[in-house]
Amino acid sequence: GQNIDQPTEMTATEGAIVQINCTYQTSGFNGLFWYQQHAGEAPTFLSYNVLDGLEEKGRFSSFLSRSKGYSYLLLKELQMKDSASYLCAASNSGGYQKVTFGTGTKLQVIP
Amino acid sequence: DTAVSQTPKYLVTQMGNDKSIKCEQNLGHDTMYWYKQDSKKFLKIMFSYNNKELIINETVPNRFSPKSPDKAHLNLHINSLELGDSAVYFCASSLTGGPNYGYTFGSGTRLTVV
Repeated sequence: GQNIDQPTEMTATEGAIVQINCTYQTSGFNGLFWYQQHAGEAPTFLSYNVLDGLEEKGRFSSFLSRSKGYSYLLLKELQMKDSASYLCAASNSGGYQKVTFGTGTKLQVIP
Repeated sequence: DTAVSQTPKYLVTQMGNDKSIKCEQNLGHDTMYWYKQDSKKFLKIMFSYNNKELIINETVPNRFSPKSPDKAHLNLHINSLELGDSAVYFCASSLTGGPNYGYTFGSGTRLTVV
């Protein structure tokens, strides 16, 4: 089975940097997704890490440590529009991909 | 527009009714999913189809029956609706062996059972 933990809520200031952590305990782990979901909207893909290390995409970076079962999403130069839920999700390494989502971290960006 | 589209967007119905939600994708993906997102925003997988074949069937009441007439469509039929079925249902699709294995989600169907 899969167990994914992330903080329920976070608050950060516009222009600042925020790190959202995620720990996972899974069987047959393959990779780790991060999705962004604005209120009332569908989740949208942010990143997918399979290998250890940091991957940077503009203001967003995602880090994975497979040995520690740990990932984080780093958001730089926060903007008001970054207020959303951020979902950590683990995929398995079976024949068909199965993705299990965490409960999400609701990030509020304040002026 | 290329997308995952699901209908209806909102559905309000009485307990005991039977309802269907439709999903279509024109992304050329071969795998489609139904997820349920409850009031606590937890996204839980229900079903997955690959090329019309059921590959994931989580512990879901058998009142829920998915149907995939072709790999671009995955519908969800719910019999004898209950109050606890109220949630947002998301359809999603992906491409096996695709560049990032990312899912593309539909905009969701907010089901309210009264």
